[in-house]
Amino acid sequence: KNEVEQSPQNLTAQEGEFITINCSYSVGISALHWLQQHPGGGIVSLFMLSSGKKKHGRLIATINIQEKHSSLHITASHPRDSAVYICAVMNRDDKIIFGKGTRLHILP
Amino acid sequence: DTGVSQDPRHKITKRGQNVTFRCDPISEHNRLYWYRQTLGQGPEFLTYFQNEAQLEKSRLLSDRFSAERPKGSFSTLEIQRTEQGDSAMYLCASSSRLDRESMGQYFGPGTRLTVT
Repeated sequence: KNEVEQSPQNLTAQEGEFITINCSYSVGISALHWLQQHPGGGIVSLFMLSSGKKKHGRLIATINIQEKHSSLHITASHPRDSAVYICAVMNRDDKIIFGKGTRLHILP
Repeated sequence: DTGVSQDPRHKITKRGQNVTFRCDPISEHNRLYWYRQTLGQGPEFLTYFQNEAQLEKSRLLSDRFSAERPKGSFSTLEIQRTEQGDSAMYLCASSSRLDRESMGQYFGPGTRLTVT
């Protein structure tokens, strides 16, 4: 079993829909990252969380440390949000462990 | 300084050849990481440096792979006697141990290696 599990693996939705991507982890962490990777391969860090909730524009990330679970939400989704979203946790040694990613496709 | 840069962006090589990639981190970042990503998978940790010291190496890093960060600034990743299984995107990231309020690791655009 992977230390970081994401669901769903693939998600197709219509423009405007509310999107939720889930991440569960099994190791002790100091922080959790949500990353966005576009087809060209470049990775952009969206959020780093250690507790609670963060919001940036239409993106919201939450984390529940007790349940070892995080969610990334996208409100009013748009085709330009189409990308792979990767959950990654930073363990106590500051080493990052990545999930396999969720491939999101927003249809116009 | 606009971020982490990597060179080249793409490399096609024949099996058995040696290749070297370069990563230039954000200038004030003392930590530098190398990852490998194959199609459909998340990135996998290869190695990381704090300043010029290589602190950890993954078991994925066989003896054909070597990484250096000679002056604690840019880093190189060399693969000797490349194999087709080495085809992947090689990602570099940097961070500052003191920068806890930031987005964490900053990633470069990656070097896509194709071994034919």
